[in-house]
Order: sequence, then structure tokens, then C-alpha cells
Amino acid sequence: NAGVTQTPKFRVLKTGQSMTLLCAQDMNHEYMYWYRQDPGMGLRLIHYSVGEGTTAKGEVPDGYNVSRLKKQNFLLGLESAAPSQTSVYFCASSYLQMNTEAFFGQGTRLTVV
Amino acid sequence: DAKTTQPNSMESNEEEPVHLPCNHSTISGTDYIHWYRQLPSQGPEYVIHGLTSNVNNRMASLAIAEDRKSSTLILHRATLRDAAVYYCILRPPDTGRRALTFGSGTRLQVQP
Repeated sequence: NAGVTQTPKFRVLKTGQSMTLLCAQDMNHEYMYWYRQDPGMGLRLIHYSVGEGTTAKGEVPDGYNVSRLKKQNFLLGLESAAPSQTSVYFCASSYLQMNTEAFFGQGTRLTVV
Repeated sequence: DAKTTQPNSMESNEEEPVHLPCNHSTISGTDYIHWYRQLPSQGPEYVIHGLTSNVNNRMASLAIAEDRKSSTLILHRATLRDAAVYYCILRPPDTGRRALTFGSGTRLQVQP
């Protein structure tokens, strides 16, 4: 089992460029999430999805868009990258039930120069 | 949403037990208590969760106060690999709010 896989692992963008981060899970989870983590801080929720075709805003959604066209994939897009979006991005997935665990990917380290 | 309060940092010696506290005085009756930890340069990983009763698994034990306003994560014998940031998280039943909300956690240092 691969679990939660994030692509790419590292990326450097120039200000104004766009990119898409891919998260794939093979556990048939309904819930998927995107977080960002800035140095020395906890994770902050960007967007999440409770099922295929549905997405919702989290705590810090501005500057990001997401799509969940297939149950196993959750895409995070940056349309016009800004230096403030330099961060480590984590994807996670879980079943809908609240008494189950979430599984996290290994992160994508994004630097915007 | 109910919030949690954890000490910023704690220290332990290797092979000694560690008790990591978490206060959640505004917890609702249906919120689950989850613990995750994040090792350096890795994504968070699940440790344990519970609702009312104490819980044990291969990684740790979770002791929940009778009034549920606090809980303690217990690592029975700390190893160097247990050095991480530990997050105490409340998970409500509402599907729309069930995403894990991370605070700043407790940074555990383990001395050899």
C-alpha cells in the first residue's frame, strides 16, 4: 500500500507562476485535506473535500484552488504564486467517521522566489 | 470550536515514561480526542484517539479525565525516535468540521 503520495516533493517557482500539487491516496478514503506548514508553526487547513466532486474552504484558502474529480486524487492549484506561499504543503486523507485516523503524505516543499 | 492547550515544550530522558498533558475545558460530549505527532521533516502521524475511556495501543496510552476537560498522552518508555511535536486535537461529529485542526503542539525532547 502506497498510502498518501504527494507529487512533487520539492519545487521552486518564480512569483506569478502557476503550478498544481497532486495528492493521491489508495485507501478509498472519502475525506481529503490540504494543509500548509510554515516554519515553527502548526499545520493550517487550506481546503478539504468530503467526497468526489465536493470541496470546501479551510482556514487559509486565499490564493489556492482545489479539485476532486476522482475519489483518490485531490489537486491543489496555485494560479499566481506569491512569496507568502513559500511553505511545506501536506495532504491527508481519512474515512468520514470521526473515530478513525488520518494519513498524511510526506509533504511538498515549495519555495516562491 | 473547542480549543486545546498544551505546553510548548517538554524534556524527557531516554527509557523513562513521558506524560504529555492537554487541556480542553470546552470540549463537547461528542468530540473525540485525537493525538498526532510530527517527527522532524515528516508529515504528522496518528498516535491514538479516545472518547471517554482510557485507551492503549502499541505506541502509547491515552488517559482521559472523568470530566473530559483534560487528557494525557503517555509514552511508557521514551526513545530518541519519540522526539517530535505532539498535537492534541478535538474532532467534532459534524462532517463539515471534522478536518483536523492543529495547534502549536508540544515539542518533546528526549535526552540519551
